[in-house]
Amino acid sequence: GEDVEQSLFLSVREGDSSVINCTYTDSSSTYLYWYKQEPGAGLQLLTYIFSNMDMKQDQRLTVLLNKKDKHLSLRIADTQTGDSAIYFCAEREGGSYIPTFGRGTSLIVHP
Amino acid sequence: ETGVTQTPRHLVMGMTNKKSLKCEQHLGHNAMYWYKQSAKKPLELMFVYNFKEQTENNSVPSRFSPECPNSSHLFLHLHTLQPEDSALYLCASGTAYEQYFGPGTRLTVT
Repeated sequence: GEDVEQSLFLSVREGDSSVINCTYTDSSSTYLYWYKQEPGAGLQLLTYIFSNMDMKQDQRLTVLLNKKDKHLSLRIADTQTGDSAIYFCAEREGGSYIPTFGRGTSLIVHP
Repeated sequence: ETGVTQTPRHLVMGMTNKKSLKCEQHLGHNAMYWYKQSAKKPLELMFVYNFKEQTENNSVPSRFSPECPNSSHLFLHLHTLQPEDSALYLCASGTAYEQYFGPGTRLTVT
């Protein structure tokens, strides 16, 4: 079945850039997502990218997609302590209502 | 704001109790979902409803019973739960290309 892999932890210094990586196995993936989960809260949709794109930028967030290598990344510029959270990568085939989620990457931002 | 609300936000129940979780969405989506999130485990999809019809039941024990009376409301009825059912229960609503989550109900089974 489909699989989405992420590293479990990332630690960065405040003000630096963070890069969270994700790999997936489903070659039929049409939509790829990044979600953010703060403690005690639900998952917040941050951004998503269609498989026919290779980059999407939204303020401090940059999503890069390498479809050949099935690799997705989320870059957060000028990382702040408020960015500390768990970040989930997810993918879904076109027409499917069921995304597949990774296990989440815990981003720790220290002063 | 996601437009998906869940009540209650916290629930403590004994193993013999019966309770219900409620989810409401104001986004006009036709699909609604229940997920279970336990510590140190991946997010688990439990149920999916599409246009009020259940389209997915991920081998969930019968002590969890979903109900979707209309496309805006989703319930999860709970009875005779076990301590290992303690978790964050997340509701989501969505379309064919996006999904939005509620804040979750933190359930503790004693």
